[in-house]
Amino acid sequence: AQKVTQAQTEISVVEKEDVTLDCVYETRDTTYYLFWYKQPPSGELVFLIRRNSFDEQNEISGRYSWNFQKSTSSFNFTITASQVVDSAVYFCALSEIGSGANSKLTFGKGITLSVRP
Amino acid sequence: EPEVTQTPSHQVTQMGQEVILRCVPISNHLYFYWYRQILGQKVEFLVSFYNNEISEKSEIFDDQFSVERPDGSNFTLKIRSTKLEDSAMYFCASSEGLAPLETQYFGPGTRLLVL
Repeated sequence: AQKVTQAQTEISVVEKEDVTLDCVYETRDTTYYLFWYKQPPSGELVFLIRRNSFDEQNEISGRYSWNFQKSTSSFNFTITASQVVDSAVYFCALSEIGSGANSKLTFGKGITLSVRP
Repeated sequence: EPEVTQTPSHQVTQMGQEVILRCVPISNHLYFYWYRQILGQKVEFLVSFYNNEISEKSEIFDDQFSVERPDGSNFTLKIRSTKLEDSAMYFCASSEGLAPLETQYFGPGTRLLVL
């Protein structure tokens, strides 16, 4: 069974601070995908990144970076020089390939990030 | 940039009433999904749909729920007899190909309140 744990529930930082959002996952599959989605106060879910289990390279996109470590089953997300617009709920999600079509995303409980001016 | 749209954005209904939530997936996408998020909780998978058939459904998706693609653009979720516990945000998503090989893109959600 697949499971995603986001142990942090709420994080509050001051603008320009760096912040790391943790994500730990469980899966029995060797092939799987990991995702981060952002949910701003307006409520929609915005796709940020997808990473497959064979690609452990870290990724940087502007102020965002992701650290994928299979050894610890973690896929952490860092925002550098945070801004007020980064305030949102951030969800980590997992999808296993499994046998046949298994397309569902399993989400963590989300981390509420508040960035204060 | 193409996006998934959902209507209505908010719906209030009385317990026992039927509701239909509508979604227009991204036009070249072939796989469609519904998820729900009870207030303050995590997003949960309901159902996936491809080629006019349900591909997978969760335990939540019982006989009260049904999905349909009535025409070439809409994808609907029907709740036959709503219960208080159906109050949630319902998200539609679509992907060009089979997820997770292809990314699921979400609509803005429909907030359903059952009184």
